[in-house]
Amino acid sequence: DAKTTQPNSMESNEEEPVHLPCNHSTISGTDYIHWYRQLPSQGPEYVIHGLTSNVNNRMASLAIAEDRKSSTLILHRATLRDAAVYYCILIADWIIFGKGTRLHILP
Amino acid sequence: GAGVSQSPRYKVAKRGQDVALRCDPISGHVSLFWYQQALGQGPEFLTYFQNEAQLDKSGLPSDRFFAERPEGSVSTLKIQRTQQEDSAVYLCASSLSYQGSGELFFGEGSRLTVL
Repeated sequence: DAKTTQPNSMESNEEEPVHLPCNHSTISGTDYIHWYRQLPSQGPEYVIHGLTSNVNNRMASLAIAEDRKSSTLILHRATLRDAAVYYCILIADWIIFGKGTRLHILP
Repeated sequence: GAGVSQSPRYKVAKRGQDVALRCDPISGHVSLFWYQQALGQGPEFLTYFQNEAQLDKSGLPSDRFFAERPEGSVSTLKIQRTQQEDSAVYLCASSLSYQGSGELFFGEGSRLTVL
């Protein structure tokens, strides 16, 4: 069973920020939190990962709760190309993907 | 190329045929994973290699599935006597790190259809 819980789907308007939540209440101290996304007919693509501190890269930001039991992937300005299934996985559990969140972007 | 390469991209097999799917990971990557992804589902873990050693094969659904990575680089996933339920996309991923702190790089997958 996946050790992360995500909403099945979310919608956002184009050019607005998107916050994708993930719960991982059983996370252990050495687990990294990874996010991947998968566009149709493609393999998953790395987005971002972190351990304890918030992380930023050119694609997104990752906000990690102080107790590390949840995290949020932030897309600062969604575009139509960001429509995908987003997976949150724990590094010790990186062999197990959940069903992810299907993100719909409305033009 | 610089990414993970999988071949063939598409394979149609008659039930009972054997198939072999190839994965060329990024050069120097220690870890290699195989996943099976059914339509509309997330990837399901099949097996994991660290160099040439197969450290975990708990996800292989039956003894008809076999994976190898003899020289610690290219890997082959073999499915014997294919069944219709084997129809899926088979994804390969590699990672530089064996400690699990590095990102996974995925190939585009091999789509297997068993008739």
